[in-house]
Amino acid sequence: DAGVIQSPRHEVTEMGQEVTLRCKPISGHNSLFWYRQTMMRGLELLIYFNNNVPIDDSGMPEDRFSAKMPNASFSTLKIQPSEPRDSAVYFCASSLGGQNNQPQHFGDGTRLSIL
Amino acid sequence: QKEVEQNSGPLSVPEGAIASLNCTYSDRGSQSFFWYRQYSGKSPELIMSIYSNGDKEDGRFTAQLNKASQYVSLLIRDSQPSDSATYLCAVTLVKVQKLVFGQGTRLTINP
Repeated sequence: DAGVIQSPRHEVTEMGQEVTLRCKPISGHNSLFWYRQTMMRGLELLIYFNNNVPIDDSGMPEDRFSAKMPNASFSTLKIQPSEPRDSAVYFCASSLGGQNNQPQHFGDGTRLSIL
Repeated sequence: QKEVEQNSGPLSVPEGAIASLNCTYSDRGSQSFFWYRQYSGKSPELIMSIYSNGDKEDGRFTAQLNKASQYVSLLIRDSQPSDSATYLCAVTLVKVQKLVFGQGTRLTINP
């Protein structure tokens, strides 16, 4: 069974550059979540989609962050322009149904470093 | 009060003993509770879900839920060094309609 697939696994780039993170959810899951994890703030929900529609983006830190889900099998999280404080591990997760009762399954994450 | 609160640890337990991890939450109406294990440098991995008051057992793991007292705990029996990880409690908070994670408890099993 293929789990949630994220790419790239690691990204190192200079501040000001555009960063695009990619996610393929588990087939059949209709909810997708983007999280950011840092030592200071723990695991934070950035945005979540249900049936490809953004439901809650209140966790998106700034306008520099945007996310899309053009179809049921693909989502992107974009940061433009990137800043050093964006350095973190970004996880994508998916679940059956909404986020209320179903467990979420996480991808391996993208470790992002902004220099 | 934090929405989902865990003792950050580190919690040290000798091999073979029972490790007890606790989590409290603020929203009395919460219905869904999950425990995730996260090894250093890895992603969170679901190990238990619980929805009703009482105990739920799965192998060496037991989740305990007490909605009246607003806490959920995870017991690990016969602890092994491979259980050393950070354990994240996650609760679906009805008021904000979100799954909220605690900060995690770092557990170390000493051989």
